[in-house]
Amino acid sequence: EVQLVESGGGLVQPGGSLRLSCAASGFIFNTYSMNWVRQAPGKGLEWVSYISSSSTTIYYADSVKGRFIISRDNAKNSLYLQMNSLRAEDTALYYCARDLTFGGVIAHYFDYWGQGTLVTVSS
Amino acid sequence: EIVMTQSPATLSVSPGERGTLSCRASQSVSSNLAWYQQKPGQAPRLLIYGASTRATGIPARFSGSGSGTEFTLTISSLQSEDFAVYYCQQYNNWPRRFTFGPGTKVDIK
Repeated sequence: EVQLVESGGGLVQPGGSLRLSCAASGFIFNTYSMNWVRQAPGKGLEWVSYISSSSTTIYYADSVKGRFIISRDNAKNSLYLQMNSLRAEDTALYYCARDLTFGGVIAHYFDYWGQGTLVTVSS
Repeated sequence: EIVMTQSPATLSVSPGERGTLSCRASQSVSSNLAWYQQKPGQAPRLLIYGASTRATGIPARFSGSGSGTEFTLTISSLQSEDFAVYYCQQYNNWPRRFTFGPGTKVDIK
């Protein structure tokens, strides 16, 4: 069974930093691309960042580019999101989501999701 | 930047009726479109990808159609468990950006 478990959320002051983690199990982690997607309280979904299986390709949403860094450790079956210079508008539930891209076939859809970790940016 | 819109914002349907949800892209996304269902307190679930392919385990009452800029999700006979918010999502070739629509809430009439 595929499982994605996020952690690392919490309350942080504007301008602060936080590192989110996502522990993956139930599939061969190093063969799948991964994503972070967020959802502000009561709002819709916003894609944040993508990383390919070998970390060679990385994309960011314009809203976080230059502030957030996505990374992964395939030996630990883990995905990370380093969030710097946090703003109030970054307050959201952050999901890690598996990308359907596999075996070189591009399909940037999100077929498995974790339950999310809440990040609150407030003074 | 490709902007996704969805209509209606809220769809009120009686159980057993057909529900039709629309998604429009500001420019062509070919067939690079997915639909997700999200219930309160839960993570989204992938329903349809590639505009018309049902994801694993998704009932046949869900179907997707369209290409280019106009897409439709049809629920042929709404069940109680289908009342939720539905999002469309696209990805484009360059620059790579993955964009969600604002969602359509399907509620009980």
